[in-house]
Amino acid sequence: QKEVEQNSGPLSVPEGAIASLNCTYSDRGSQSFFWYRQYSGKSPELIMFIYSNGDKEDGRFTAQLNKASQYVSLLIRDSQPSDSATYLCAVPNQAGTALIFGKGTTLSVSS
Amino acid sequence: GAGVSQTPSNKVTEKGKYVELRCDPISGHTALYWYRQSLGQGPEFLIYFQGTGAADDSGLPNDRFFAVRPEGSVSTLKIQRTERGDSAVYLCASRSGTSGYNEQFFGPGTRLTVL
Repeated sequence: QKEVEQNSGPLSVPEGAIASLNCTYSDRGSQSFFWYRQYSGKSPELIMFIYSNGDKEDGRFTAQLNKASQYVSLLIRDSQPSDSATYLCAVPNQAGTALIFGKGTTLSVSS
Repeated sequence: GAGVSQTPSNKVTEKGKYVELRCDPISGHTALYWYRQSLGQGPEFLIYFQGTGAADDSGLPNDRFFAVRPEGSVSTLKIQRTERGDSAVYLCASRSGTSGYNEQFFGPGTRLTVL
């Protein structure tokens, strides 16, 4: 059974700082990785996915994948109070039919 | 365009009762998922439909849970003899195509409370 581990936080950063969110996964064969953002009381929304080693950048967000060490991270540059949310890391299950989510890391950005 | 919709948004029921939760996916999306999210946890996979058929129901916790998608669009999650431990937010998601890389779009969820 694949597992995805995240530090639940909360992670607190001041406005304008870089927030670094980390995720480790158990299955070395995992090929693709997803970061979802979930505001309190709302449903998850996809912000990044990555399937190649290295970095993938999209605006203020950068996903970093290191398959050898089995971790994927999400960096948020110039953090804003509106980034305060829970960030969920996910990988496809063994059958590739659904996503396995971590518990999520709660980020709080203070102004 | 319309996103995934779920009804009801909230459902309060008593232990032992039967409930139905409805999901209306994005038009044209062939893949539909049900997840369950408890407080402080990530979404937990329940069942996946590709078209009308349940392609993977390995996440259903027991035989009190059942889901259908008779016409390949709207899906209903049915829970018999509800228990307090069934209390959670039930999320539905849909996706176009069969590729695992396509984004799953989540609905707003149904918050189920079993008293």
